[in-house]
Amino acid sequence: EVQLVESGGGLVQPGGSLRLSCAASGFTFSRYWMHWVRQAPGKGLVWVSQIETDGSSTTYAESVKGRFTISRDNAKNTLYLQMNSLRAEDTAVYYCARTGSARDFDYWGQGALVIVSS
Amino acid sequence: EIVLTQSPGTLSLSPGERAALSCRASQSVISSYLAWYQQKPGQAPRRLIYGASTRATGIPDRFSGTGSGTDFTLTISRLEPEDFAVYYCQQYVSSPTFGGGTKVEIK
Repeated sequence: EVQLVESGGGLVQPGGSLRLSCAASGFTFSRYWMHWVRQAPGKGLVWVSQIETDGSSTTYAESVKGRFTISRDNAKNTLYLQMNSLRAEDTAVYYCARTGSARDFDYWGQGALVIVSS
Repeated sequence: EIVLTQSPGTLSLSPGERAALSCRASQSVISSYLAWYQQKPGQAPRRLIYGASTRATGIPDRFSGTGSGTDFTLTISRLEPEDFAVYYCQQYVSSPTFGGGTKVEIK
């Protein structure tokens, strides 16, 4: 059974940093592109970042470029999102998701809540 | 960036009725890369349709997807109580984007 489990969310002050983790199981993690998608309270889904299978290629939404870094450790079957210079508008539930065969998101984690507030 | 516009924002229907949700793209989307998701409060999104018209594993056949180019539709033939939720379309031509969502609520 495919499972994605996020951790590392919490309350952080504006300008602070946080690192999210997503532990993957039930599939060969190293064969899949992975993504982070976020959802602000009461709002819609917004794609944040993606990473290629071996980590050699990464892409970011303009809103987080230069502040967030996606990475992965295929030996540990874990995806990461390092978030620096956090702003109030980064407050959201952050989901990790696996790329499906049709460039969709076929499996999602349960989400990690990040609150940026003083 | 391709912008996806979903309409209506809210659809008020009764169980047993048919729902038609629209997703319009700002430029042509490769049909293979158009998907639909369902999200219920407090839950992660669940994939319903990929490749514009292929149902994901375990999705009932009352859900169907059609469309091509810039116009796509998710149809729920007969609403069941568990279908009242928010639905999102998503494309991935160059970078992924989501539509703003359509809430299907009980009338």
